[in-house]
Amino acid sequence: QVQLQESGPGLVKPSETLSLTCTVSGGSMNDYFWSWIRQPPGRGLEWIGYVYYSGSSTSYNPSLKSRVTVSVDTSKNQFSLRLMSVTAADTAVYYCARRRRGYENFDSWGQGTLVTVSS
Amino acid sequence: AIQLTQSPSSLSASVGDSVTITCRASQGISSALAWYQQKPGKPPKLLIYAVSSLEVGVPSRFSGSGSGTEFTLTISSLQPEDSATYYCQQALNIPLTFGGGTKVEIK
Repeated sequence: QVQLQESGPGLVKPSETLSLTCTVSGGSMNDYFWSWIRQPPGRGLEWIGYVYYSGSSTSYNPSLKSRVTVSVDTSKNQFSLRLMSVTAADTAVYYCARRRRGYENFDSWGQGTLVTVSS
Repeated sequence: AIQLTQSPSSLSASVGDSVTITCRASQGISSALAWYQQKPGKPPKLLIYAVSSLEVGVPSRFSGSGSGTEFTLTISSLQPEDSATYYCQQALNIPLTFGGGTKVEIK
C-alpha cells in the first residue's frame, strides 16, 4: 500500500516562496502522475497541479500557474511543490496525492500539512 | 473552469436512512465524475470514480449514478461512521475542480 507524507515549513512570510516535499513509500512512482491539492481552513478542495513520474509532463491550475512549479525526483521517491509570492490567501492544508492510472482522480493521499502565511 | 454545485450543503439523517447527494456540473462532463469522503482532520478518501465504479474496499452501501451534468451519490443505509463531508470532483477538464461539499450528520 503506497504511503505519502508531506514535509516542509508550517509558516511562510508574505511574498516569500512556499516549498513542500512529498515522500512516497511502499510503492513505485513509475507510471503515475503525482499531484498537490490544497484546502483552506474550513473550506473546499483546490487542485494545484501534477507532474508525471518522469518529469516529462506537468499540468497546473491556471489560477496558480504563474506562481507554481511541481517537480519530481524519483531517485529520492519524492516530488515537490513551489509556490511563489504567497499571500494570506495561500494559507491552507496542502495535500500530496497520487492520480489514479487512466483517470483524473486521486486514489492515495498524504495526511496533509498546514501552511500558514503570516509575518 | 467547470463549476460543480452540490446540494444540499448539509443534511442530518438517522442510522439506516437512505441519503442522496446531488452534484451538478456547469457543462457536460460525460462520465468523468468522482466522489470523496472526508472526515475532520483527515485527507479525502476516494469512494467512487467514473460516476459509478466503487473503489476497492468501499462498502457497497455507497453508489453513484448520473451522466452529463447531473450526478448523485447515494448511501443506502446510513451508518454512524458515514458522518463526514462528501465532495464530488470532475475529471474531464483541466483545471480539475471539486464541488463545495455536503456535510452529512447522524441524528
